[in-house]
Amino acid sequence: DAKTTQPTSMDCAEGRAANLPCNHSTISGNEYVYWYRQIHSQGPQYIIHGLKNNETNEMASLIITEDRKSSTLILPHATLRDTAVYYCIVWSGSNYKLTFGKGTLLTVNP
Amino acid sequence: EPEVTQTPSHQVTQMGQEVILRCVPISNHLYFYWYRQILGQKVEFLVSFYNNEISEKSEIFDDQFSVERPDGSNFTLKIRSTKLEDSAMYFCASMGLAGGSTQYFGPGTRLTVL
Repeated sequence: DAKTTQPTSMDCAEGRAANLPCNHSTISGNEYVYWYRQIHSQGPQYIIHGLKNNETNEMASLIITEDRKSSTLILPHATLRDTAVYYCIVWSGSNYKLTFGKGTLLTVNP
Repeated sequence: EPEVTQTPSHQVTQMGQEVILRCVPISNHLYFYWYRQILGQKVEFLVSFYNNEISEKSEIFDDQFSVERPDGSNFTLKIRSTKLEDSAMYFCASMGLAGGSTQYFGPGTRLTVL
């Protein structure tokens, strides 16, 4: 699986949009971009995934650049409960396992 | 909304004892996984299981570990002789279809080996 690069930490004010970047310059054509988050020591929670097109669900939006070398996860109105470690993972599904990096610790401040 | 469940939430055991961690994957999912996370470290893949056999396992998953799907609903991880370094959070995950599908994780079991 391709490697991803994320900032170690970010801060965001409550109610504002949180934009979490991820670089995946070696992504292959059949690899998806997945985002998970982990609140404290809970199980990783699936957020969203995409291949080429931008995606939106009830939790977040995913913006993937046209060359697919980077993406941004957007939490439109961050709340204190969104404080978590966010993982960007590139995955084809073919080898079945997810490879987690260190992720970005997002801290939402009141 | 369907979810993966795990029991127990916390298991304390003595070094050398056997432990069994239990998971109930999402109904109709076909792929099952165990991951672990040592305190302060990354989430690490242990093993994947499909069609009643191991699909892939990591270097961590040595002879002390085994997995089983004893019936149509449970998926278990057994550690035969626990070591201090086995202390970690253990997460079960399940997935429906391969190729673009999604792994859903359970809340985890915190294993403490004394």
